Amino acid sequence: QSALTQPPSASGSPGQSVTISCTGTSSDVGGYNHVSWYQQHPGKAPKLMIYAVTKRPSGVPDRFSGSKSGNTASLTVSGLQAEDEADYYCNSFAGNNNWVFGGGTKLTVL
Amino acid sequence: QVELQQSGPGLVKPSQTLSLTCAISGDSVSSNSGAWNWIRQSPSRGLEWLGRTYYRSKWYNDYAVSVKSRITINSDTSKNQFSLQLNSVTPEDTAVYYCASGVLATGYTTWGQGTLVTVSS
Repeated sequence: QSALTQPPSASGSPGQSVTISCTGTSSDVGGYNHVSWYQQHPGKAPKLMIYAVTKRPSGVPDRFSGSKSGNTASLTVSGLQAEDEADYYCNSFAGNNNWVFGGGTKLTVL
Repeated sequence: QVELQQSGPGLVKPSQTLSLTCAISGDSVSSNSGAWNWIRQSPSRGLEWLGRTYYRSKWYNDYAVSVKSRITINSDTSKNQFSLQLNSVTPEDTAVYYCASGVLATGYTTWGQGTLVTVSS
């Protein structure tokens, strides 16, 4: 059982927006601004999409954005494209030099 | 541009030691601003951070509580690489193991290609 809770699936049509949630506690998501999001295509390593809650690494499209409210972080993908279909995982610092992941959300582009 | 290349066996017998190596190019294992992590992924446990090593005038290691009694992460500055050793493995340790670079402020920025390690006799 993962420490952070994500919905198992999400979907949207091309061009639409979809938001994926990541719920933790005040000891992880709610306590630190160190939430990151990863995209994983089948058979590939995860790829960093968002770090420090809202920041995008160089090369990541601005269609991807992150936010946080209380103990829940969110990843929004706007203007959905076929290549966005993948698994998405959140990760948070949990204090005491420990990091925790979410269980993952499978995003389907209809 | 940092690249990580993993190596090591894909099959380990129960009770033995799992050993993997991650070679770094484009950065130094002894960088004062980097950190070098091991993460694994399995259907039953999902993604799980295992530990990290980093250099800040001296070497530090942090390990996940779940594996703390069995794990060692070392660095080899002469080869610019770092390694994972996990002792007393069981079938529960069967997973894809990844090395990854990244610190608290940046997330895991670069990942190795992954190594499927199966624990079986």
